[in-house]
Amino acid sequence: AQSVTQPDIHITVSEGASLELRCNYSYGATPYLFWYVQSPGQGLQLLLKYFSGDTLVQGIKGFEAEFKRSQSSFNLRKPSVHWSDAAEYFCAAPYPGGYQKVTFGTGTKLQVIP
Amino acid sequence: NAGVTQTPKFQVLKTGQSMTLQCAQDMNHEYMSWYRQDPGMGLRLIHYSVGAGITDQGEVPNGYNVSRSTTEDFPLRLLSAAPSQTSVYFCASLDSGAVEAFFGQGTRLTVV
Repeated sequence: AQSVTQPDIHITVSEGASLELRCNYSYGATPYLFWYVQSPGQGLQLLLKYFSGDTLVQGIKGFEAEFKRSQSSFNLRKPSVHWSDAAEYFCAAPYPGGYQKVTFGTGTKLQVIP
Repeated sequence: NAGVTQTPKFQVLKTGQSMTLQCAQDMNHEYMSWYRQDPGMGLRLIHYSVGAGITDQGEVPNGYNVSRSTTEDFPLRLLSAAPSQTSVYFCASLDSGAVEAFFGQGTRLTVV
């Protein structure tokens, strides 16, 4: 069965520092991959998505992610973190052949310290 | 544009009670889903629908029923609430073209 894995449950970074959140996937074919963000008490919002083509994907709020087939990874990055980026981040992918179903990783909670 | 609207936002139930969580979307999306979110477990799919009159089970369907009589509405029913159903529930509708899910604000349910 396909899945996405986020190995880091919690990450703390200083404001202004760079950020990388890890996501690994297990799929046979090239997957579609997503990153969503959830602010406290809110629903999820799409940050960016990868379908095919350029492996470096730009998203909203200054985030980017790079698809690396050789490492089965789709890590989320931001060069300089702002306090407002504190949230929980989810990597996700639809089931192959069935975009009506999306499977999510367990999430990484980001804390930003001054 | 309201997007995906969930009601209620908070609910406390006693074990054995029934209730319906409401979800409505105004984006004319064919696909809709219900997830539950529990600490350390991410979001798990309960049920989903690919159009009016068509529903199917997700990962954790036991204890929940759904129906889809219109494109806009996708209610989730708990027939006999159990403490294990204490969770935050999210409804989502999916733009099948963009393959982007739009989420409601969630319903925090506590079963005592």
